[in-house]
Amino acid sequence: GDSVTQMEGPVTLSEEAFLTINCTYTATGYPSLFWYVQYPGEGLQLLLKATKADDKGSNKGFEATYRKETTSFHLEKGSVQVSDSAVYFCALNTNAGKSTFGDGTTLTVKP
Amino acid sequence: DGGITQSPKYLFRKEGQNVTLSCEQNLNHDAMYWYRQDPGQGLRLIYYSQIVNDFQKGDIAEGYSVSREKKESFPLTVTSAQKNPTAFYLCASRGKRGDLGTQYFGPGTRLTVL
Repeated sequence: GDSVTQMEGPVTLSEEAFLTINCTYTATGYPSLFWYVQYPGEGLQLLLKATKADDKGSNKGFEATYRKETTSFHLEKGSVQVSDSAVYFCALNTNAGKSTFGDGTTLTVKP
Repeated sequence: DGGITQSPKYLFRKEGQNVTLSCEQNLNHDAMYWYRQDPGQGLRLIYYSQIVNDFQKGDIAEGYSVSREKKESFPLTVTSAQKNPTAFYLCASRGKRGDLGTQYFGPGTRLTVL
């Protein structure tokens, strides 16, 4: 079945550091790929998405590129801020109507 | 503003009681989902519904029940058969394929069994 594997956390960075959170997937067909963010005590929000190979999703300085050859969708940001502290989920969606989520990676950014 | 609402935000239950969590959306979405989130863990799918009057079990449906009588509403009942119900519950909806499968989440309900 479909699966998503995320880099284990927690990840702790200093402000303005470079961020990478790895995500790899297994899926049949051609999934759409997503990154969601969850702030403490809240629901998930869409951060960015990509629908086909080589697409790059971007939002709020975050980027991820859909790499079909390596089945990956790594999240990157060039300079993190304290306000980026949250839990990040990688997810995929196929036409079956359900989404598959990774276990989440907790990011803490220190001033 | 369109969105998803969940109520209550916090819910306390005594052992042996059934409780119902509310989820309402005004996004005109066909598909709705219930997830359970435990501390430090990802999301586990409880039930989902792709159309009114139809729903399917997810990965951890035992001890839960749902109904989908209206497009806007997808309430979840946590029954006394659920042995460890303390968790954070998230409801989500999804639009048609044109939205590329993005799920829109409510703010969550934190259920605690006393």
